[in-house]
Amino acid sequence: DAGVIQSPRHEVTEMGQEVTLRCKPISGHNSLFWYRQTMMRGLELLIYFNNNVPIDDSGMPEDRFSAKMPNASFSTLKIQPSEPRDSAVYFCASIPGLAGGPKFFGPGTRLTVL
Amino acid sequence: QQQVKQSPQSLIVQKGGISIINCAYENTAFDYFPWYQQFPGKGPALLIAIRPDVSEKKEGRFTISFNKSAKQFSLHIMDSQPGDSATYFCAASKETSGSRLTFGEGTQLTVNP
Repeated sequence: DAGVIQSPRHEVTEMGQEVTLRCKPISGHNSLFWYRQTMMRGLELLIYFNNNVPIDDSGMPEDRFSAKMPNASFSTLKIQPSEPRDSAVYFCASIPGLAGGPKFFGPGTRLTVL
Repeated sequence: QQQVKQSPQSLIVQKGGISIINCAYENTAFDYFPWYQQFPGKGPALLIAIRPDVSEKKEGRFTISFNKSAKQFSLHIMDSQPGDSATYFCAASKETSGSRLTFGEGTQLTVNP
Protein backbone atom coordinates (compact mmCIF):
# COMPACT_ATOMS: atom_id res chain seq x y z
CA ASP A 1 0.00 0.00 0.00
CA ALA A 2 1.25 3.46 -0.83
CA GLY A 3 1.85 5.73 2.10
CA VAL A 4 1.23 9.45 2.24
CA ILE A 5 2.66 11.13 -0.84
CA GLN A 6 4.03 14.65 -0.69
CA SER A 7 5.42 16.91 -3.38
CA PRO A 8 7.76 18.51 -3.95
CA ARG A 9 10.33 16.89 -1.68
CA HIS A 10 12.49 19.98 -1.74
CA GLU A 11 11.58 23.56 -2.55
CA VAL A 12 13.90 26.54 -2.65
CA THR A 13 12.30 29.89 -3.27
CA GLU A 14 12.91 33.55 -2.72
CA MET A 15 11.23 35.69 -0.13
CA GLY A 16 7.91 37.01 -1.36
CA GLN A 17 7.19 34.14 -3.70
CA GLU A 18 4.15 31.90 -3.43
CA VAL A 19 4.79 28.31 -2.36
CA THR A 20 2.35 25.41 -2.74
CA LEU A 21 2.92 22.09 -1.01
CA ARG A 22 0.89 19.06 -1.98
CA CYS A 23 -0.27 15.96 -0.19
CA LYS A 24 -2.08 12.79 -1.16
CA PRO A 25 -3.34 10.91 1.92
CA ILE A 26 -3.57 7.16 2.27
CA SER A 27 -6.61 5.85 0.45
CA GLY A 28 -9.57 5.44 2.80
CA HIS A 29 -8.19 7.78 5.44
CA ASN A 30 -10.60 10.62 6.10
CA SER A 31 -8.49 12.78 8.42
CA LEU A 32 -5.48 14.68 7.15
CA PHE A 33 -2.90 16.66 9.10
CA TRP A 34 -0.29 19.23 8.14
CA TYR A 35 2.67 19.54 10.54
CA ARG A 36 5.74 21.75 10.46
CA GLN A 37 9.11 20.79 11.94
CA THR A 38 11.86 23.25 12.84
CA MET A 39 14.81 23.08 15.17
CA MET A 40 13.46 25.95 17.25
CA ARG A 41 9.82 24.89 17.59
CA GLY A 42 9.92 21.15 16.99
CA LEU A 43 6.85 19.47 15.48
CA GLU A 44 3.78 21.66 15.35
CA LEU A 45 0.32 20.89 14.04
CA LEU A 46 -0.74 23.54 11.54
CA ILE A 47 -4.18 22.31 10.53
CA TYR A 48 -6.20 19.15 10.22
CA PHE A 49 -9.14 18.13 8.10
CA ASN A 50 -11.83 15.52 8.61
CA ASN A 51 -13.91 14.51 5.60
CA ASN A 52 -12.32 17.38 3.66
CA VAL A 53 -13.49 19.97 6.21
CA PRO A 54 -10.96 21.97 8.27
CA ILE A 55 -11.52 21.03 11.91
CA ASP A 56 -8.74 22.89 13.68
CA ASP A 57 -6.62 25.55 12.02
CA SER A 58 -5.45 27.23 15.21
CA GLY A 59 -1.87 26.23 14.45
CA MET A 60 -1.72 28.13 11.19
CA PRO A 61 0.82 30.83 12.01
CA GLU A 62 -0.71 33.75 10.11
CA ASP A 63 -2.85 34.76 7.19
CA ARG A 64 -0.02 34.07 4.77
CA PHE A 65 -0.74 30.39 5.29
CA SER A 66 -3.79 28.68 3.81
CA ALA A 67 -4.76 25.06 3.32
CA LYS A 68 -7.39 23.37 1.23
CA MET A 69 -8.70 19.87 0.76
CA PRO A 70 -10.86 19.89 -2.36
CA ASN A 71 -11.40 16.13 -2.28
CA ALA A 72 -10.55 13.06 -0.23
CA SER A 73 -7.33 12.37 -2.10
CA PHE A 74 -5.64 15.76 -2.28
CA SER A 75 -4.66 18.65 -0.04
CA THR A 76 -2.55 21.75 -0.49
CA LEU A 77 -0.74 24.06 1.89
CA LYS A 78 -0.02 27.46 0.43
CA ILE A 79 2.25 30.20 1.72
CA GLN A 80 1.86 33.61 0.11
CA PRO A 81 4.07 35.58 0.40
CA SER A 82 6.81 33.33 1.77
CA GLU A 83 9.37 34.56 4.30
CA PRO A 84 12.74 33.15 5.42
CA ARG A 85 11.23 32.17 8.80
CA ASP A 86 8.91 29.79 6.96
CA SER A 87 11.91 27.58 6.16
CA ALA A 88 11.11 24.19 7.68
CA VAL A 89 10.15 20.64 6.85
CA TYR A 90 6.42 20.34 6.26
CA PHE A 91 4.87 16.94 6.89
CA CYS A 92 1.50 15.59 5.91
CA ALA A 93 -0.14 12.64 7.66
CA SER A 94 -3.47 10.87 7.56
CA ILE A 95 -5.55 8.51 9.68
CA PRO A 96 -8.86 6.70 9.39
CA GLY A 97 -11.40 8.39 11.62
CA LEU A 98 -10.48 11.04 14.19
CA ALA A 99 -9.04 9.29 17.22
CA GLY A 100 -5.42 8.34 17.75
CA GLY A 101 -2.44 9.66 15.88
CA PRO A 102 -0.89 8.97 12.49
CA LYS A 103 1.08 5.75 12.14
CA PHE A 104 3.29 7.25 9.49
CA PHE A 105 3.95 10.77 8.38
CA GLY A 106 4.68 11.52 4.77
CA PRO A 107 8.29 11.99 3.63
CA GLY A 108 8.00 15.75 4.06
CA THR A 109 8.77 18.79 1.96
CA ARG A 110 11.93 20.66 2.92
CA LEU A 111 11.23 24.32 2.23
CA THR A 112 13.99 26.89 2.07
CA VAL A 113 13.04 30.52 1.65
CA LEU A 114 16.00 32.73 0.76
CA GLN B 1 -1.17 23.50 29.86
CA GLN B 2 -0.55 22.09 26.42
CA GLN B 3 3.15 21.49 26.91
CA VAL B 4 4.90 18.15 26.85
CA LYS B 5 8.41 18.22 28.29
CA GLN B 6 10.89 15.59 27.12
CA SER B 7 14.30 14.62 28.46
CA PRO B 8 17.11 14.06 27.85
CA GLN B 9 17.79 16.04 24.71
CA SER B 10 20.41 13.50 23.64
CA LEU B 11 21.37 10.05 24.84
CA ILE B 12 24.30 7.76 24.09
CA VAL B 13 23.97 4.09 24.95
CA GLN B 14 26.13 1.07 24.32
CA LYS B 15 24.79 -1.80 22.24
CA GLY B 16 22.78 -4.11 24.46
CA GLY B 17 22.06 -1.42 27.02
CA ILE B 18 18.74 0.10 28.08
CA SER B 19 17.68 3.46 26.67
CA ILE B 20 15.25 5.47 28.78
CA ILE B 21 13.51 8.63 27.63
CA ASN B 22 11.14 10.56 29.85
CA CYS B 23 8.19 12.87 29.23
CA ALA B 24 5.99 14.95 31.47
CA TYR B 25 2.72 16.61 30.61
CA GLU B 26 0.54 19.23 32.23
CA ASN B 27 -2.91 18.83 30.74
CA THR B 28 -4.80 16.20 32.73
CA ALA B 29 -7.29 15.91 29.88
CA PHE B 30 -4.69 14.20 27.69
CA ASP B 31 -5.68 10.59 27.16
CA TYR B 32 -3.49 9.30 24.34
CA PHE B 33 0.30 9.09 24.59
CA PRO B 34 2.26 7.89 21.55
CA TRP B 35 5.97 7.67 20.90
CA TYR B 36 7.37 8.34 17.45
CA GLN B 37 10.69 7.36 15.90
CA GLN B 38 12.27 9.52 13.24
CA PHE B 39 15.31 8.73 11.10
CA PRO B 40 17.20 11.49 9.30
CA GLY B 41 15.40 12.64 6.17
CA LYS B 42 12.26 10.69 7.01
CA GLY B 43 8.93 11.51 8.58
CA PRO B 44 8.12 10.33 12.11
CA ALA B 45 6.67 6.84 12.48
CA LEU B 46 4.51 5.59 15.33
CA LEU B 47 6.47 3.26 17.58
CA ILE B 48 4.12 2.49 20.43
CA ALA B 49 1.25 4.22 22.21
CA ILE B 50 -0.57 3.99 25.53
CA ARG B 51 -3.82 5.17 27.01
CA PRO B 52 -4.12 6.01 30.72
CA ASP B 53 -6.17 2.98 31.67
CA VAL B 54 -2.97 0.90 31.86
CA SER B 55 0.38 1.62 33.53
CA GLU B 56 2.59 -0.24 31.11
CA LYS B 57 2.58 -1.45 27.52
CA LYS B 58 5.21 -3.60 25.91
CA GLU B 59 5.84 -4.31 22.26
CA GLY B 60 8.98 -6.30 21.61
CA ARG B 61 11.97 -4.41 22.97
CA PHE B 62 9.94 -1.22 23.48
CA THR B 63 8.00 -0.50 26.67
CA ILE B 64 5.98 2.53 27.74
CA SER B 65 5.61 3.12 31.46
CA PHE B 66 2.83 5.49 32.46
CA ASN B 67 2.35 7.25 35.80
CA LYS B 68 -0.96 9.08 35.77
CA SER B 69 -0.61 10.67 39.21
CA ALA B 70 2.80 12.09 38.36
CA LYS B 71 1.71 13.00 34.82
CA GLN B 72 4.76 11.29 33.42
CA PHE B 73 5.45 8.57 30.90
CA SER B 74 8.63 7.04 29.62
CA LEU B 75 9.97 4.91 26.80
CA HIS B 76 12.32 2.06 27.58
CA ILE B 77 14.29 0.40 24.79
CA MET B 78 15.73 -2.88 25.96
CA ASP B 79 18.79 -4.45 24.32
CA SER B 80 19.40 -1.25 22.36
CA GLN B 81 20.83 -1.76 18.87
CA PRO B 82 22.74 0.58 16.53
CA GLY B 83 19.69 0.48 14.24
CA ASP B 84 17.70 2.14 17.03
CA SER B 85 19.80 5.29 16.59
CA ALA B 86 17.20 7.92 15.72
CA THR B 87 15.28 10.82 17.18
CA TYR B 88 12.41 9.87 19.47
CA PHE B 89 9.42 12.08 20.18
CA CYS B 90 6.78 11.65 22.82
CA ALA B 91 3.39 13.20 22.22
CA ALA B 92 0.02 13.59 23.86
CA SER B 93 -3.50 14.40 22.80
CA LYS B 94 -7.05 14.61 24.02
CA GLU B 95 -8.77 12.15 21.76
CA THR B 96 -12.27 13.31 22.48
CA SER B 97 -11.46 16.63 20.85
CA GLY B 98 -9.73 15.16 17.86
CA SER B 99 -6.19 14.10 17.22
CA ARG B 100 -4.29 17.29 17.91
CA LEU B 101 -0.96 15.86 19.03
CA THR B 102 1.34 17.99 21.18
CA PHE B 103 4.92 16.80 20.74
CA GLY B 104 7.88 16.81 23.09
CA GLU B 105 11.13 18.39 22.00
CA GLY B 106 12.72 15.13 20.89
CA THR B 107 15.62 12.96 22.07
CA GLN B 108 18.47 12.08 19.76
CA LEU B 109 19.51 8.52 20.62
CA THR B 110 22.86 7.12 19.55
CA VAL B 111 23.57 3.45 20.17
CA ASN B 112 27.26 2.66 19.86
CA PRO B 113 28.27 -0.74 18.52
